Amino acid sequence: AQSVTQLDSHVSVSEGTPVLLRCNYSSSYSPSLFWYVQHPNKGLQLLLKYTSAATLVKGINGFEAEFKKSETSFHLTKPSAHMSDAAEYFCVSPPIFRAGGTSYGKLTFGQGTILTVHP
Amino acid sequence: EAQVTQNPRYLITVTGKKLTVTCSQNMNHEYMSWYRQDPGLGLRQIYYSMNVEVTDKGDVPEGYKVSRKEKRNFPLILESPSPNQTSLYFCASLRLGGQSGTEAFFGQGTRLTVV
Repeated sequence: AQSVTQLDSHVSVSEGTPVLLRCNYSSSYSPSLFWYVQHPNKGLQLLLKYTSAATLVKGINGFEAEFKKSETSFHLTKPSAHMSDAAEYFCVSPPIFRAGGTSYGKLTFGQGTILTVHP
Repeated sequence: EAQVTQNPRYLITVTGKKLTVTCSQNMNHEYMSWYRQDPGLGLRQIYYSMNVEVTDKGDVPEGYKVSRKEKRNFPLILESPSPNQTSLYFCASLRLGGQSGTEAFFGQGTRLTVV
């Protein structure tokens, strides 16, 4: 079974300070994992994805995430927060895709983390 | 341009009046799904479809129906809407595997209010 848990429902930082948004996963198989961002009154935008190539994944807008199998974690970080980073962030686990062309499971969302950036 | 198109973007309706929210993708994806997003509850899956004529319940299917008669379309049907179905709805289409790997594409959302 797949599941993702976002450990913080709200994170508040000051502009220019580091951001850490935490995500733990549970999967019977080596997973793919994504981070999506949703700005107020907007749709969902892909920030970055891990697909078992490099464990350190760089995304858009200066975000990156590191896949740590030993800790079953995929935390999202950014060295220096910007006001425009204020949004809700979702850690997402997709269905498991098998090389024969079949898939199982479902697109699973974490509970979401609202990031607030103070001036 | 690869995209997932939902319509309408905004809808206010009355209790009991049947409605359909359409979702269409132009990427030939087999996997599509519907979510509702509510404050404090995140995104919850309503239904998903692995292929044409193959649909399955998600976590919150009560009060909803779907159909998948063709690969590109996956409409969400509310036969008798109730106020507790007031929510923001998202349709998703997934590319599974392949050279570019798995990725989910989302529609812009439909904000539904049932009065």
